Amino acid sequence: DTAVSQTPKYLVTQMGNDKSIKCEQNLGHDTMYWYKQDSKKFLKIMFSYNNKELIINETVPNRFSPKSPDKAHLNLHINSLELGDSAVYFCASRGSPKITQYFGPGTRLLVL
Amino acid sequence: AQSVTQLGSHVSVSEGALVLLRCNYSSSVPPYLFWYVQYPNQGLQLLLKYTTGATLVKGINGFEAEFKKSETSFHLTKPSAHMSDAAEYFCAVSDMAGANNLFFGTGTRLTVIP
Repeated sequence: DTAVSQTPKYLVTQMGNDKSIKCEQNLGHDTMYWYKQDSKKFLKIMFSYNNKELIINETVPNRFSPKSPDKAHLNLHINSLELGDSAVYFCASRGSPKITQYFGPGTRLLVL
Repeated sequence: AQSVTQLGSHVSVSEGALVLLRCNYSSSVPPYLFWYVQYPNQGLQLLLKYTTGATLVKGINGFEAEFKKSETSFHLTKPSAHMSDAAEYFCAVSDMAGANNLFFGTGTRLTVIP
């Protein structure tokens, strides 16, 4: 049973396209996150979201938007993709008040 | 603001040798600290974490880390390296605000030499 899953695993697309990455957790957690890992393996928080609040890292372009259809899902929409968006995107979840985050397997996005 | 510095982007050890991966943190409040491991083309797996209490924390796969407030360090060790330990290791600190966002170091790639 996969705790945090992401689809697709790989995504290759052209500049200017709009794409979505899906994330689902079956842990009953109330907080979900998106992180970006660049080509140098550096991981950076993009968003955190629970049923009350969306917190956006100020450095994230507004072309990126998280959407949560329900408590178990936090999808990432990206508009007008740019070359610099190529990265691995990780979803994670956490169940309050515990602090441990559980990560998905990642989505490898390549923008051509 | 919270931040983490990992010294050494690459560490090589012989199989059976001591593993030492260094992490120093900066935090305006008592920190929550974590070590995650990432195997090739996989997600991040929690090795261990420190919140409060005992400063020597034991994790999975024989790893442990010691929180030293005076040195603002949280170094990861393992007495005897195995080939299967070859991976990327990330130290992280939590911002402890409402969302508990993680702030990661730049990672250390561990190579184990047979």
